[in-house]
Amino acid sequence: GNSVTQMEGPVTLSEEAFLTINCTYTATGYPSLFWYVQYPGEGLQLLLKATKADDKGSNKGFEATYRKETTSFHLEKGSVQVSDSAVYFCALIRGSGGGADGLTFGKGTHLIIQP
Amino acid sequence: ETGVTQTPRHLVMGMTNKKSLKCEQHLGHNAMYWYKQSAKKPLELMFVYSLEERVENNSVPSRFSPECPNSSHLFLHLHTLQPEDSALYLCASSQEGAGSQYFGPGTRLTVL
Repeated sequence: GNSVTQMEGPVTLSEEAFLTINCTYTATGYPSLFWYVQYPGEGLQLLLKATKADDKGSNKGFEATYRKETTSFHLEKGSVQVSDSAVYFCALIRGSGGGADGLTFGKGTHLIIQP
Repeated sequence: ETGVTQTPRHLVMGMTNKKSLKCEQHLGHNAMYWYKQSAKKPLELMFVYSLEERVENNSVPSRFSPECPNSSHLFLHLHTLQPEDSALYLCASSQEGAGSQYFGPGTRLTVL
């Protein structure tokens, strides 16, 4: 079956540091890949996505590249801010999203940015 | 209202109570989902509705009963729950073929 593995953390960084959160996946076919962010007391917000190999998703300074050869979708940001503190979830959906289908999530990575 | 809304935001119930969670999406989507988020566990898909028909029931106990009366509304009816059902219940919606799902803020459920 499908699965997503990501570092759980907490990951603690200083403001303006470089961020990498690793995500690898197992899936049949050609899944679409997502990063979601959850701030305290809130639901999940879509951060970025990629639907095919070598696609790069980007938003709010975050980016991730769909690497089929390494089955990875690592999240990066060049300079983090305190406001980036949240839990980040890597997820996949099987196929090309042609129908209604559930997301498979990783366990989430708690990111803490210190001023 | 915009996006996906959920009510109530917090719910405390006894094991013998019956309650319902409500979700409403204002995005014009045609698919809706229920997920369960428990501490220390990945988010779990519970139900998928497409065009108001249930297309997936992810081995969820019968004490959880979903209802989708139209493409904008989704309910989760709860009865005789167990304390281990305490969790954050998240609703999401999407447009079939687009892949991206948009989530509501969730209902924090505590079962005593």
